[in-house]
Amino acid sequence: NAGVTQTPKFQVLKTGQSMTLQCAQDMNHEYMSWYRQDPGMGLRLIHYSVGAGITDQGEVPNGYNVSRSTTEDFPLRLLSAAPSQTSVYFCATKPGGVGAPLHFGNGTRLTVT
Amino acid sequence: GQQVMQIPQYQHVQEGEDFTTYCNSSTTLSNIQWYKQRPGGHPVFLIQLVKSGEVKKQKRLTFQFGEAKKNSSLHITATQTTDVGTYFCAGTSGTYKYIFGTGTRLKVLA
Repeated sequence: NAGVTQTPKFQVLKTGQSMTLQCAQDMNHEYMSWYRQDPGMGLRLIHYSVGAGITDQGEVPNGYNVSRSTTEDFPLRLLSAAPSQTSVYFCATKPGGVGAPLHFGNGTRLTVT
Repeated sequence: GQQVMQIPQYQHVQEGEDFTTYCNSSTTLSNIQWYKQRPGGHPVFLIQLVKSGEVKKQKRLTFQFGEAKKNSSLHITATQTTDVGTYFCAGTSGTYKYIFGTGTRLKVLA
């Protein structure tokens, strides 16, 4: 039982390059989400999904795309990376219901030069 | 949109001193959760508060939810070096958008 697995752990991109951050979970959680963490800004919600085929925007969705074709996976795509997207990205999941706690992956540290 | 602020941003305390962080939301919350993130780690769930005026304790940690369900606090009694990390509150207003506070980074000096 791995919980929430994020890959890669580290990534360096050049401005304009694209990449996909992977998030996989084996807990059968309906809810999956992506946060970015920047110094002094806390954790800001990028996108979230309440089930396969259903996604919605969070606080800072611009520059990011998501899709949810399976319960297990929720990839985050950067189509044209910008230095402002340098951050630590966390995937978080939880079971159905509004009050359940979030389970976080170990994060992906992304640097865009 | 919903905003959640936390104060202070940083706190340095001597080991054995108490510590409090405060969380304030711009909207009424359905519930509030608290998380701890150790340096270099990921946030880990501590507790959830649901009822107006609710108080919960976990050993040296005391959590409160305000009467108006717009603010919350976390108080640590007699801090230890193991308490080092960043403490976040996270609230939702009945949707699936869990909005996190800006966090309070605690440093404990031995």
